[in-house]
Amino acid sequence: QKEVEQDPGPLSVPEGAIVSLNCTYSNSAFQYFMWYRQYSRKGPELLMYTYSSGNKEDGRFTAQVDKSSKYISLFIRDSQPSDSATYLCAMSALQGAQKLVFGQGTRLTINP
Amino acid sequence: EPEVTQTPSHQVTQMGQEVILRCVPISNHLYFYWYRQILGQKVEFLVSFYNNEISEKSEIFDDQFSVERPDGSNFTLKIRSTKLEDSAMYFCASRGEEEKLFFGSGTQLSVL
Repeated sequence: QKEVEQDPGPLSVPEGAIVSLNCTYSNSAFQYFMWYRQYSRKGPELLMYTYSSGNKEDGRFTAQVDKSSKYISLFIRDSQPSDSATYLCAMSALQGAQKLVFGQGTRLTINP
Repeated sequence: EPEVTQTPSHQVTQMGQEVILRCVPISNHLYFYWYRQILGQKVEFLVSFYNNEISEKSEIFDDQFSVERPDGSNFTLKIRSTKLEDSAMYFCASRGEEEKLFFGSGTQLSVL
């Protein structure tokens, strides 16, 4: 079983839709969870960081962590064409974002 | 906003040659990282560096790889004798006291 699994997509939705992106993981040592956005030919950009089960909201983005199910999600509300990018989940067993383990990335397109 | 700068953006080299990838982390950051992404695959951790020494490294980071902070601003990754399978996008990242990693735009290394 892969340490972190993420559906690579591609995922295509109309502008304004709610987007749900998910990752599962197998390593129960992971305690820190992140979502990154990556535009073409750019480095990953941190969107959300959390270390506890439950929800964390930041503007149109909500990160959800369920440690008992080893499942994390990112929700994007009122999606915009500028949200079109690859979304990467990442996790770490070590505090301080040390040694991140990334998912495959989901390629998302928001259609105007 | 401050950013991590990587040079060159694209490096082409012959198998067996040495390459040095350069990074200028954000100026007040203390923790430095190299990650790589082979085309179509996940972003993978290579090495973390703090207080002028390696703090963590992956199995990928073998004796052919080395890192250095030669002065107060640069952080380099050297590959001594490149192999075809070293072809990848290499990302430098840095962070300060906050647990937020800032990534550079990457150096695309092509080994022929």
